[in-house]
Amino acid sequence: GAVVSQHPSRVICKSGTSVKIECRSLDFQATTMFWYRQFPKQSLMLMATSNEGSKATYEQGVEKDKFLINHASLTLSTLTVTSAHPEDSSFYICSAGLGGGIYEQYFGPGTRLTVT
Amino acid sequence: AQKITQTQPGMFVQEKEAVTLDCTYDTSDPSYGLFWYKQPSSGEMIFLIYQGSYDQQNATEGRYSLNFQKARKSANLVISASQLGDSAMYFCAMREGGGFKTIFGAGTRLFVKA
Repeated sequence: GAVVSQHPSRVICKSGTSVKIECRSLDFQATTMFWYRQFPKQSLMLMATSNEGSKATYEQGVEKDKFLINHASLTLSTLTVTSAHPEDSSFYICSAGLGGGIYEQYFGPGTRLTVT
Repeated sequence: AQKITQTQPGMFVQEKEAVTLDCTYDTSDPSYGLFWYKQPSSGEMIFLIYQGSYDQQNATEGRYSLNFQKARKSANLVISASQLGDSAMYFCAMREGGGFKTIFGAGTRLFVKA
């Protein structure tokens, strides 16, 4: 199947700093990418939908100025957590849509963010 | 609004036995897809099986089968011949229409006992 990578896999940052997480589709072009957040022992919560070349669509309750999403190319989407705080510590997972086909979506391995 | 419900927070099964993980859903869209994903402790989401709302037969993928009961809006996952490596978190998910937006259930943690 198609491969989606995320970098970094783990990151620790200090409170008040910003951190960028990359999501790449390695062997296909993804017109749509999704960013999820998962707290320990909880389900995945969709944060935003990222479409190449346009602004991301954020889910209700997600601060777009805090979680900046850029989908500059068909293979790369980035999530920047700005002015991170300890409550932003979480597991962030991206997924990429291949385009067409209701089940053609592939998940990245996730990034564990710890804000100290 | 679409909704996915998994009522079993944790399940235990003896190795080599079958286990059923429950999932019910709610949607007003006649076209939708139902998915099951496995999430081991490493965190990656592993796609297991897919069932389309118009599919007449239950989906099967190796040891995984999906018991799709459309009238009851249920999509239970059956794992046959459980293995120790099946111990993980399992999520039921749904997408409406032809889109990619996926809604996940709360998940069920499966423990396989030797």
